[in-house]
Amino acid sequence: KNEVEQSPQNLTAQEGEFITINCSYSVGISALHWLQQHPGGGIVSLFMLSSGKKKHGRLIATINIQEKHSSLHITASHPRDSAVYICAAPPSGSARQLTFGSGTQLTVLP
Amino acid sequence: EPEVTQTPSHQVTQMGQEVILRCVPISNHLYFYWYRQILGQKVEFLVSFYNNEISEKSEIFDDQFSVERPDGSNFTLKIRSTKLEDSAMYFCATGTPPNTEAFFGQGTRLTVV
Repeated sequence: KNEVEQSPQNLTAQEGEFITINCSYSVGISALHWLQQHPGGGIVSLFMLSSGKKKHGRLIATINIQEKHSSLHITASHPRDSAVYICAAPPSGSARQLTFGSGTQLTVLP
Repeated sequence: EPEVTQTPSHQVTQMGQEVILRCVPISNHLYFYWYRQILGQKVEFLVSFYNNEISEKSEIFDDQFSVERPDGSNFTLKIRSTKLEDSAMYFCATGTPPNTEAFFGQGTRLTVV
């Protein structure tokens, strides 16, 4: 069973700051997902990555397969980035469903 | 952009009643999922559905729960004899792992009173 751990649990930043959220997992996986959960509860997929780095606008996700670790970075943070960020991974190498981390509540202050 | 649609967005039901949560998945996706999130807790996997049958289920998904795809488009989660502890946000998700990201619906907030 994959243990997916995130840190920090809560993060408050000033607008413009560079944000890093970390995720570690215990079992080798095919891909790791970063998700964003809005205050209303809806979940949006940000990234799915299996190696290296992906970038979408001000968001960057990296993964180190050997160390079983991934990071989500937000450059030039903005109050609209305030949300819960969740990493998720399959519970085992062959599984199709996801095991979720507990999420990081990000608040960006103007 | 394709999206997963869930109805209703919010349902209030009395304890002991049956509820059916509905989802319209993205049409060319092969795997369908139900997840739930109890308030303040992690999102938890309930069940996955592939090729018109259950592929995997968690220990949460007991005889109280069932899923089906009755008409080839809708994907439903039925909860029989609801309990107070079934109150949660229920998410439908679709994808074609491991090659695609997961697409989530907006969720159905179920409140059992």
